[in-house]
Amino acid sequence: EPEVTQTPSHQVTQMGQEVILRCVPISNHLYFYWYRQILGQKVEFLVSFYNNEISEKSEIFDDQFSVERPDGSNFTLKIRSTKLEDSAMYFCASSEAEYSNQPQHFGDGTRLSIL
Amino acid sequence: AQTVTQSQPEMSVQEAETVTLSCTYDTSESDYYLFWYKQPPSRQMILVIRQEAYKQQNATENRFSVNFQKAAKSFSLKISDSQLGDAAMYFCAYRTRMGSNYKLTFGKGTLLTVNP
Repeated sequence: EPEVTQTPSHQVTQMGQEVILRCVPISNHLYFYWYRQILGQKVEFLVSFYNNEISEKSEIFDDQFSVERPDGSNFTLKIRSTKLEDSAMYFCASSEAEYSNQPQHFGDGTRLSIL
Repeated sequence: AQTVTQSQPEMSVQEAETVTLSCTYDTSESDYYLFWYKQPPSRQMILVIRQEAYKQQNATENRFSVNFQKAAKSFSLKISDSQLGDAAMYFCAYRTRMGSNYKLTFGKGTLLTVNP
């Protein structure tokens, strides 16, 4: 069964550094998402992306965050100047179509640790 | 804004027994979707079951079923004949059916332990 893949599985970065989290969505999917989960807290929506542009973003997704689909397969989340509070598990998800009953398929997540 | 509440941080069940995980949500909308996701130690979030709010019939997927009480805004997950592989964190999630807002709103999760 096709899967969403995320790399790396664990990223350790110094505060203030830039980090790029990578995702390869399922190949025929059109909608892409990033979520994050701070340790011990709920999974929170960050951003959704469709047709090469952001379709919605949350309050968390401020100017230090950006997303990109640089080629036909990758979907990246960039954090420009990381803060300690950015430490979390970041999940990428994708869904096949615009219909809201289509489930979102999640990757394994990237654990981001900011030192 | 929609909120999802899972009041049980942890639950345990004996292998082969039945367990029910609770979820309540708050919304002013009448049409929406509800989901249960499972996150085993391997970390991947796996869709377990989904329910459309306009359907009165409770969704069922093999050993997994839901008790959807729309008026009470309750969406519990029942796992029958629990297996060791069911041990995981379970998240309840809400999604609107309106417009283009497809984001999922999650609860905090319930950690399920299955005892042999």
